[in-house]
Amino acid sequence: EVQLVESGGGLVKPGGSLRLSCAASGFTFSNAWMNWVRQAPGKGLEWVGRIQSKTDGGTTTYAAPVEGRFTISRDDSKSTLHLQMNSLNTEDTAMYYCTTGSGSQSYYWGQGTLVTVYS
Amino acid sequence: SYVLTQPPSVSVAPGQTARITCGGNNIGSKSVHWYQQKPGQAPVLVVYDDSDRPSGIPERFSGSNSGNTATLTISRVEAGDEADYYCQVWDGSSDHVVFGGGTKLTVL
Repeated sequence: EVQLVESGGGLVKPGGSLRLSCAASGFTFSNAWMNWVRQAPGKGLEWVGRIQSKTDGGTTTYAAPVEGRFTISRDDSKSTLHLQMNSLNTEDTAMYYCTTGSGSQSYYWGQGTLVTVYS
Repeated sequence: SYVLTQPPSVSVAPGQTARITCGGNNIGSKSVHWYQQKPGQAPVLVVYDDSDRPSGIPERFSGSNSGNTATLTISRVEAGDEADYYCQVWDGSSDHVVFGGGTKLTVL
């Protein structure tokens, strides 16, 4: 059974940093392209970024609002995905999900971890 | 950047058919995926690659995609189908994933 378990969310002040993790199991993590998707309270889904598998190049791509502030990385030895978030602002307050699937869709989702940026 | 447009809300009586649209420039040339999200839960993929269903998704859920509009159709709507629905594509020109704004389906 595929499982994605996010962790690392919490309260942080504007300008602060936070590192999210996503522990994966039930599939060959090293072959998977992984995404982060977020959802602000009461709002819709917003794609944050993606990392390719290392065999496909390991390239990362980011949405414009987080480009230059967020970094996605992966530790294939631990089947873990990370999202390093710097220079956080109140607009980054959201539930953050890690997702994966074949093709361009997100077949599997974690339950999310909540990030709250408060002043 | 590529934009997907969904109606904010759709209402339908139980047993009727709900159609949720997703508009985008030449969206018919892209693969469209649809997600269902109930309150307090993570989204669930209900249709992928325009019209395929993941295992466990009822046949009542179907999709189509042509021209500038993709459509998620839910037949014989049940109270349990009440949820937010999102369309999603991959925009090859930017290499970005794009979500529609979401549609709240209300079962009357």
